[in-house]
Amino acid sequence: DIQMTQSPSSLSASVGDRVTITCRASQGINNDLAWYQQKPGKIPKLLIYAASTLQSGVPSRFSGSGSGTYFALTITSLQPEDVATYYCQGYYSAPITFGGGTKVEI
Amino acid sequence: EVQLVQSGSEVKKPGESLRISCKGSGYSFTNYWISWVRQMPGKGLEWMGRIDPSDSYTSYSPSFQGHVTISADKAFSTAYLQWSSLKASDTAMYYCARHRLKGVYVDAFDIWGQGTMVTVSS
Repeated sequence: DIQMTQSPSSLSASVGDRVTITCRASQGINNDLAWYQQKPGKIPKLLIYAASTLQSGVPSRFSGSGSGTYFALTITSLQPEDVATYYCQGYYSAPITFGGGTKVEI
Repeated sequence: EVQLVQSGSEVKKPGESLRISCKGSGYSFTNYWISWVRQMPGKGLEWMGRIDPSDSYTSYSPSFQGHVTISADKAFSTAYLQWSSLKASDTAMYYCARHRLKGVYVDAFDIWGQGTMVTVSS
């Protein structure tokens, strides 16, 4: 199974800060990587797929990068509504696996 | 509107059986795989398995193989997740989610159900 390792597990930043979350795959997964946002008490929301493609309706302050084994999610200017837990997901092969999550606080 | 609507929360005793449902609407249900995802209280997301609603072909995560059964009834545009004997450790929120692309069995999930909370307690 391919393991997805996210870091950090949590972070605290100020409004307007640039925030980067990383995700490392235990083996190469091309660009078969998605990022999700889960706000407290809400369902997960797809932000980015294919490592860097923004899902329709997602603000442009979110961006994704990487391929192979190393990926990153960047929020260029953190907003109060971005408080959430973020998960990466590798879907190169089954079983599909999620990272452990990164909790972002203001 | 494309949506997945799940059945309501459940409270069960250990050893009981349970089936929860996920009804798709607003799109051609048989064209997109459906996955199930578990989220235990205060924990992360875990992929359980998936089904192709067009022919009910399934595959499971090794972590869940043999403990749950995924099925679908395309006539009702509904997927199901069932247990034959619940354990306290099955207490969790369960989500169904649609694969983003038609006919693709490994993919990101673009539409999520609202979740079904299952509580197993004696």
